[in-house]
Amino acid sequence: GAGVSQSPSNKVTEKGKDVELRCDPISGHTALYWYRQSLGQGLEFLIYFQGNSAPDKSGLPSDRFSAERTGGSVSTLTIQRTQQEDSAVYLCASSLVKGNNSPLHFGNGTRLTVT
Amino acid sequence: SQKIEQNSEALNIQEGKTATLTCNYTNYSPAYLQWYRQDPGRGPVFLLLIRENEKEKRKERLKVTFDTTLKQSLFHITASQPADSATYLCALPTDSNYQLIWGAGTKLIIKP
Repeated sequence: GAGVSQSPSNKVTEKGKDVELRCDPISGHTALYWYRQSLGQGLEFLIYFQGNSAPDKSGLPSDRFSAERTGGSVSTLTIQRTQQEDSAVYLCASSLVKGNNSPLHFGNGTRLTVT
Repeated sequence: SQKIEQNSEALNIQEGKTATLTCNYTNYSPAYLQWYRQDPGRGPVFLLLIRENEKEKRKERLKVTFDTTLKQSLFHITASQPADSATYLCALPTDSNYQLIWGAGTKLIIKP
């Protein structure tokens, strides 16, 4: 079956512009995560959605970052007024059930470059 | 605070030998640990989960150990092949029931 799909795969934007990153999780997966991966660093947690519950936004690095998950499926991560330090790979993952012993299924990420 | 360490230097192994990667953690006692593989330009792919009451777990050529006294997990690939070349990440649960913390990964290079 289809895996987690992310778009675009690459995005180059000028400093100060807004960007939207999209994630289409595996059908039926109730949990959805956004992570950020920088070179040589571990995955940095950004936000977690579980079903209809309020998301855990505790990992968002600033108020320029926001995310939505519509209808319990597709999610978009929006970065406003991008800065050069926002350059990284943004990964989306979904899992079948709640709980951190449930394996995560990742998309291939969006590589964001802010010039 | 909870911390995970993986060897940041690339590991070069001759084809056919056993590759061993290390994941060390401090300041807590996780109930389990996960290992993932990540290829360049791709997202991580789940490989194995081992629980604290399991000393060892195997899947084909992969073997994972979990030593809660040493606070360490070892990830072994036997009869290694060039196709095993990738970055391997370990991840452990946090105090929440849905968050993981991640090691930075170890790059494994299998030379023919």
